[in-house]
Amino acid sequence: KAGVTQTPRYLIKTRGQQVTLSCSPISGHRSVSWYQQTPGQGLQFLFEYFSETQRNKGNFPGRFSGRQFSNSRSEMNVSTLELGDSALYLCASSPLSSSEQFFGPGTRLTVL
Amino acid sequence: GQQLNQSPQSMFIQEGEDVSMNCTSSSIFNTWLWYKQDPGEGPVLLIALYKAGELTSNGRLTAQFGITRKDSFLNISASIPSDVGIYFCAGGDSGGGADGLTFGKGTHLIIQP
Repeated sequence: KAGVTQTPRYLIKTRGQQVTLSCSPISGHRSVSWYQQTPGQGLQFLFEYFSETQRNKGNFPGRFSGRQFSNSRSEMNVSTLELGDSALYLCASSPLSSSEQFFGPGTRLTVL
Repeated sequence: GQQLNQSPQSMFIQEGEDVSMNCTSSSIFNTWLWYKQDPGEGPVLLIALYKAGELTSNGRLTAQFGITRKDSFLNISASIPSDVGIYFCAGGDSGGGADGLTFGKGTHLIIQP
């Protein structure tokens, strides 16, 4: 089975721009979660989607949003980028009835 | 919110030594997971624990779900160079779906030649 894939792997943006990141889950997984990883804060939960619905949300501002498509692929969007948004953004997929989450390689976002 | 205290922050060991690390929480978790992350990659799931008191092995790795549900331990026996990396514990609230995981800050394992 192919693992979780994320595109792009690297991205450089400037303050005020917006960005969209993409995630394709493991085949058969219907749950997709997004995390932000920074050296200072570690891994922090952004949100989780299941069957195209946001099921859980972490403590991030409204500039961070996401969606899931009928094929379980997911995108996350960050608008009005700030320097502090520079981070590794990780996507994880999960089987229907398990808390085990399998991570993709991440997208490294740098905001200048 | 829930917080996990993971220790130690870093470990400097000799190849062949055994390694122990742990996570504690002020809240109860229904699931404990252990991940390893290499530079530039996403975390890789090592062991998943679902029952209090459960002891599970994966090769040279052994993890335990604490009886109180507020802690978990990971042991690595006879460490080898490829064990180098950052190990994360994660607590989950539900076994019936993928709620957001709460992660520890990680234990950075360094193996000295």
